[in-house]
Amino acid sequence: DAMVIQNPRYQVTQFGKPVTLSCSQTLNHNVMYWYQQKSSQAPKLLFHYYDKDFNNEADTPDNFQSRRPNTSFCFLDIRSPGLGDAAMYLCATSRISGTGGGEQFFGPGTRLTVL
Amino acid sequence: RKEVEQDPGPFNVPEGATVAFNCTYSNSASQSFFWYRQDCRKEPKLLMSVYSSGNEDGRFTAQLNRASQYISLLIRDSKLSDSATYLCVVFSWGKLQFGAGTQVVVTP
Repeated sequence: DAMVIQNPRYQVTQFGKPVTLSCSQTLNHNVMYWYQQKSSQAPKLLFHYYDKDFNNEADTPDNFQSRRPNTSFCFLDIRSPGLGDAAMYLCATSRISGTGGGEQFFGPGTRLTVL
Repeated sequence: RKEVEQDPGPFNVPEGATVAFNCTYSNSASQSFFWYRQDCRKEPKLLMSVYSSGNEDGRFTAQLNRASQYISLLIRDSKLSDSATYLCVVFSWGKLQFGAGTQVVVTP
């Protein structure tokens, strides 16, 4: 049973054409994350939501926006994709625990290609 | 300097052998430590947490050395299915910091 679902799994867009990636979860976790991962690199945190509170990483470009309309869904909007935005985009969820951070559950990712 | 550093490998390991590798972290106040496994073109999945006293999970043993700021992962009796990239993950500055991963290739 899929717990973190991402759609689409593969997305091809043209340079500068807006694209929206979606993530949904059945875990009822209060924290949702968006990561960008390029080949042979660590996942890079773009932003996260703690409930409805949005937390943007300082180095996340303005080109990237996010929405979380409810607990289950979160969207990543790339307003004007550039060639450098081609990557795997990973959505993750967690329930903050006393141990700090806790386990994050990842979706299968959306692989974005920019032509 | 990166928050979390790993040898990228690949570590080529004969089936049945033991392999071990480390990860160093820069923030001495880091609170929690994990190993995640990532298969090619798939999402990361939690392999195991790393506790201060060290811990085992089957063929996998994780150690934490706070004084030298590194964690290690040892895999005994390697299986072909252990071939993957192992991501070192440290919880610090209020978020998970990922290493770029160590690739392990188990050969028949």
